[in-house]
Amino acid sequence: SAVISQKPSRDICQRGTSLTIQCQVDSQVTMMFWYRQQPGQSLTLIATANQGSEATYESGFVIDKFPISRPNLTFSTLTVSNMSPEDSSIYLCSVVQGENQPQHFGDGTRLSIL
Amino acid sequence: DAKTTQPTSMDCAEGRAANLPCNHSTISGNEYVYWYRQIHSQGPQYIIHGLKNNETNEMASLIITEDRKSSTLILPHATLRDTAVYYCIVRGRLSYNTDKLIFGTGTRLQVFP
Repeated sequence: SAVISQKPSRDICQRGTSLTIQCQVDSQVTMMFWYRQQPGQSLTLIATANQGSEATYESGFVIDKFPISRPNLTFSTLTVSNMSPEDSSIYLCSVVQGENQPQHFGDGTRLSIL
Repeated sequence: DAKTTQPTSMDCAEGRAANLPCNHSTISGNEYVYWYRQIHSQGPQYIIHGLKNNETNEMASLIITEDRKSSTLILPHATLRDTAVYYCIVRGRLSYNTDKLIFGTGTRLQVFP
């Protein structure tokens, strides 16, 4: 399966600031996704990152708060904007390599906001 | 996507088989059963998936009942490294427009020496 690298692996940020998380894959993939995992909770899908067009957001998530880019078939970024302590979570990138292939996940970015 | 029900937690002795059940009584004919696990501080790891036939790979076996309303993930010889949260997910056939995974709360498997 594809090797998925997320940067940074963890960060501590001040409230009101923004952080951009990168997801790099070692091979071209058809689909990329961003998930959030709040402390002690399961994963929740934030959005589907579409190559060359605007991301598709799930209910409860908006572009102004979580802008996403996907300039090519191996790279995507998620920005967490104007952070508050409630944004403290693990943010995970996942990819699909082709039709009827399972999703594979990166190890996530552990974000703490003070 | 159909809803799944899993026990909150299970224990298993090292070296024994771990059998993790999942109920998905509302599954429809074109929906697959997927299993992932999440070891602490890591992203979810894909284990196996199936439609109606039993499946086996190097990690585990998946047994799906004939009526497809439940399934069991079997780790044949559990090790301490298998301690993790195991998620059973039911979803339709993967496609470019509908590949979304909805994670439930999963089963926390504790393997003990």
